Amino acid sequence: DTGVSQDPRHKITKRGQNVTFRCDPISEHNRLYWYRQTLGQGPEFLTYFQNEAQLEKSRLLSDRFSAERPKGSFSTLEIQRTEQGDSAMYLCASLSYASGNTIYFGEGSWLTVV
Amino acid sequence: AQSVTQLGSHVSVSEGALVLLRCNYSSSVPPYLFWYVQYPNQGLQLLLKYTSAATLVKGINGFEAEFKKSETSFHLTKPSAHMSDAAEYFCAVRGQDEKLTFGTGTRLTIIP
Repeated sequence: DTGVSQDPRHKITKRGQNVTFRCDPISEHNRLYWYRQTLGQGPEFLTYFQNEAQLEKSRLLSDRFSAERPKGSFSTLEIQRTEQGDSAMYLCASLSYASGNTIYFGEGSWLTVV
Repeated sequence: AQSVTQLGSHVSVSEGALVLLRCNYSSSVPPYLFWYVQYPNQGLQLLLKYTSAATLVKGINGFEAEFKKSETSFHLTKPSAHMSDAAEYFCAVRGQDEKLTFGTGTRLTIIP
């Protein structure tokens, strides 16, 4: 499978705990995006990377959220001191200009904060 | 900044009937437009995209969409609905900032 891979697919955590999601983009895709989707809504942009550089962060990304892409390959999204409002699906996507400027999404990581 | 409006959060059609899902966009630059489909508990799968070539775009699973600049629309159609088409459909626009902005989605239900 050469698609975007996300892990874990589902995570249930207690309020106040930290969680980390991992995304492995399509090989050689230099741009990587994180989106958040709540029930009944479309995905909302969180942040994106060009190789290892984080180019932009949305206002939705509070100080409790941090994303990294240390070697320009996989990325992690960490949420510290989780709150119930963080419950959502976190989607990762990647793009390569060589692939026709199409953004491909992973299966998502569902977070439930109890 | 760009935006997308999807008219109708829920659409129901009978199996074999025409599917029409509406999308209007706003963009300060010539847009790239996309339709994605999402099945329950899954990520987004690209159906089709418009990138300033042909205005009628054909996608997977028999779907197509027509870009109409004068109407700022990019409606999704399929001549004959199948039960397997039941899903959530998202229209999205990508502007100069190279981020996707999504609509709120349309849930398509197929009536047997």
